[in-house]
Amino acid sequence: NAGVMQNPRHLVRRRGQEARLRCSPMKGHSHVYWYRQLPEEGLKFMVYLQKENIIDESGMPKERFSAEFPKEGPSILRIQQVVRGDSAAYFCASSPAKNTEAFFGQGTRLTVV
Amino acid sequence: DAKTTQPPSMDCAEGRAANLPCNHSTISGNEYVYWYRQIHSQGPQYIIHGLKNNETNEMASLIITEDRKSSTLILPHATLRDTAVYYCIVRVRSETSGSRLTFGEGTQLTVNP
Repeated sequence: NAGVMQNPRHLVRRRGQEARLRCSPMKGHSHVYWYRQLPEEGLKFMVYLQKENIIDESGMPKERFSAEFPKEGPSILRIQQVVRGDSAAYFCASSPAKNTEAFFGQGTRLTVV
Repeated sequence: DAKTTQPPSMDCAEGRAANLPCNHSTISGNEYVYWYRQIHSQGPQYIIHGLKNNETNEMASLIITEDRKSSTLILPHATLRDTAVYYCIVRVRSETSGSRLTFGEGTQLTVNP
């Protein structure tokens, strides 16, 4: 029973490029959450998705960031035109139902050079 | 979600019980207490949660005071691998927030040999 899988584990992008982070939830989980952890800071909620729907995106930056969770395939967090300030660890969590405990992946560490 | 207060750091000797306190004096009747930990920038790991009764699982015990204004996470026999940042999170289960978590600063627990 595999846990939440995130890939890549490490991603290096030059300023202005696009970053795509993938998250495959645990089997049977249809709820996905993305969090960001800036260096030396705490985890901050970004977005909550259920299959094909964005439920809560109150933590998403207004520009350049988007997320999707299609009917088939992993959830994608997309960052367009990356800047140095986007360098962080991005964690995905999943849960089987709306109000059950969420389980986290190991994260993707994005470095913008 | 109710705000929580935790000591920034604690030390514990290996093999002894680690008791991590959390104050949540503004907790509402429908808010749950969750504990997660993050070991050296890995993905957060779910530990335990409860509403008003004490809870125990294979990892830890959760003691919630009768007025629910504070709680204690107990690791009965701490090992070096329990060194981590421990987060106490209080959250309401709602339609829009799902299993969303609001992380504070947490407590850095260091288990010493």
